[in-house]
Amino acid sequence: GAGVSQTPSNKVTEKGKYVELRCDPISGHTALYWYRQSLGQGPEFLIYFQGTGAADDSGLPNDRFFAVRPEGSVSTLKIQRTERGDSAVYLCASSLGSGGYTQYFGPGTRLTVL
Amino acid sequence: KNEVEQSPQNLTAQEGEFITINCSYSVGISALHWLQQHPGGGIVSLFMLSSGKKKHGRLIATINIQEKHSSLHITASHPRDSAVYICASWIIQGAQKLVFGQGTRLTINP
Repeated sequence: GAGVSQTPSNKVTEKGKYVELRCDPISGHTALYWYRQSLGQGPEFLIYFQGTGAADDSGLPNDRFFAVRPEGSVSTLKIQRTERGDSAVYLCASSLGSGGYTQYFGPGTRLTVL
Repeated sequence: KNEVEQSPQNLTAQEGEFITINCSYSVGISALHWLQQHPGGGIVSLFMLSSGKKKHGRLIATINIQEKHSSLHITASHPRDSAVYICASWIIQGAQKLVFGQGTRLTINP
């Protein structure tokens, strides 16, 4: 079956612009996670959804970052007024539930802010 | 100090060698994940465990809850095992979230 997909695979933008990154989880997975991975580092938690609601958004670095999952399936990570330090690979994962369930990762979106 | 620490950060070995990657965590967890990430590729979940030991092919993962330590072993290593291996702990103290180690870059030479 289809895995987690993310679009776009690459995004190059200029400092100050707004970007949206999309994640399509595996069908039926109620939990969805966003992570950020900088070069040479392990992934860093940003936010996770259980259904439509953000169960934990403590990893969002500041109020320029926002994520939604209006129908409990597709999620969009939104970054306003992008900064060069936002450049990273943004990973999405989904699982059947939260906590001790296997997470299935998407291929990531590589964001480059010039 | 990171909540999840891995060692070594880099490991180079010859084909056929037995490989061990270690992961220590400092807070309470409900589960620990071992993940594999190939260069330029996505992340694949290898194991999720909360006690004891799991085996899949040439890969073995163990966890000692009392010592807050887990290991990933690869037997009869092969060049295709070359990847970054990441351990991640599902933290249960405070907000529940997955906390990742910094990864171990493994290179197996033929």
